[in-house]
Amino acid sequence: AQSVAQPEDQVNVAEGNPLTVKCTYSVSGNPYLFWYVQYPNRGLQFLLKYITGDNLVKGSYGFEAEFNKSQTSFHLKKPSALVSDSALYFCAVRDNSGAGSYQLTFGKGTKLSVIP
Amino acid sequence: SAVISQKPSRDICQRGTSLTIQCQVDSQVTMMFWYRQQPGQSLTLIATANQGSEATYESGFVIDKFPISRPNLTFSTLTVSNMSPEDSSIYLCSAGDRLDYGYTFGSGTRLTVV
Repeated sequence: AQSVAQPEDQVNVAEGNPLTVKCTYSVSGNPYLFWYVQYPNRGLQFLLKYITGDNLVKGSYGFEAEFNKSQTSFHLKKPSALVSDSALYFCAVRDNSGAGSYQLTFGKGTKLSVIP
Repeated sequence: SAVISQKPSRDICQRGTSLTIQCQVDSQVTMMFWYRQQPGQSLTLIATANQGSEATYESGFVIDKFPISRPNLTFSTLTVSNMSPEDSSIYLCSAGDRLDYGYTFGSGTRLTVV
């Protein structure tokens, strides 16, 4: 079974400061990892993904994430936070080890608040 | 990536009634999923909508309560049947292809049952 943990319910950061939203995962095979963002009263928007290759993945809106296999982590980062980054962030995993394993499993979400 | 139109965007329904949610994709996709997001919670997969066959339901979800149709590769519906206040949630459609590494989501349907 695959699972995702986002240990922080909420992260507060001052505008202009770097931000990190944490995510760890568990899969039986190799992971496909994703970050999505949800703004109030909206659906989920794709931010970035890790499939293979470079451990540092760059995505939309200046976000990046670092895949760490030994720590089974995929933390989301941004060098300088904007107030408009305030939203709910979800980490998701998909196990590529078996046929039919096309489902995404989501973490519980982390609410990011960027303070002006 | 695919663009999804989901409707209605929100509804307020009486308990005991049913609501059908529609999900239209602008291109043919192999995979379509339905999720539920309860207030302040993460996304829980309800089922995988299979084209031309019965949906595959996750543990805790049954066809009688959440019947799903998928008549072709671009369209699916989810019905929430015999609703109770506990069904008040956001319901999200998601779609993509098997070789996609990420799926697209609809904007969601916010359901309130009174």
